[in-house]
Amino acid sequence: DGGITQSPKYLFRKEGQNVTLSCEQNLNHDAMYWYRQDPGQGLRLIYYSQIVNDFQKGDIAEGYSVSREKKESFPLTVTSAQKNPTAFYLCASSDSQYSNQPQHFGDGTRLSIL
Amino acid sequence: QKEVEQDPGPLSVPEGAIVSLNCTYSNSAFQYFMWYRQYSRKGPELLMYTYSSGNKEDGRFTAQVDKSSKYISLFIRDSQPSDSATYLCATQNQAGTALIFGKGTTLSVSS
Repeated sequence: DGGITQSPKYLFRKEGQNVTLSCEQNLNHDAMYWYRQDPGQGLRLIYYSQIVNDFQKGDIAEGYSVSREKKESFPLTVTSAQKNPTAFYLCASSDSQYSNQPQHFGDGTRLSIL
Repeated sequence: QKEVEQDPGPLSVPEGAIVSLNCTYSNSAFQYFMWYRQYSRKGPELLMYTYSSGNKEDGRFTAQVDKSSKYISLFIRDSQPSDSATYLCATQNQAGTALIFGKGTTLSVSS
């Protein structure tokens, strides 16, 4: 089945540690996105990529990094510089960033601090 | 003023009721509007996608956009316990680079 796969479902980070969240899609979508969801705050955009080897910062990019080496993959690294990383992280994709196509989401990774 | 405002609820209704979920937005240039449903510990699932003003119907769901008042609504007819979830409204920013979400309304339908 076509879709977006995020792994792992749950992740724990120690102080000072970088962790990487995986996002893979087999929808042949050009654009991919990372959002953070906190209780009572809705979804906030971290990074987005409209094409391989290109990505842009969203509203809350500080303390995060991404790469887009393959069309189907858009991993997110939560660095030690992100002081409040506990949240639900959602990856999304759309057919083309500028054709007003709706975004489709994976089932998320829940990150907690140990 | 936030760009998209949504009452977080919670909203509780009996099975079979008609549910009305609402959002307001601030920028009259927004053209594309979406409703997502999110079950606990899952990602948002696209329910409805509309452009500009008017109504769109899909089974028990109707999405309505009123651009004159900058108001978007989702109606659920004959609500079922399986409709219990958080409903998120969203619009696309002017640059077309991202979605702007409301905070979500939590709905509970009791049998």
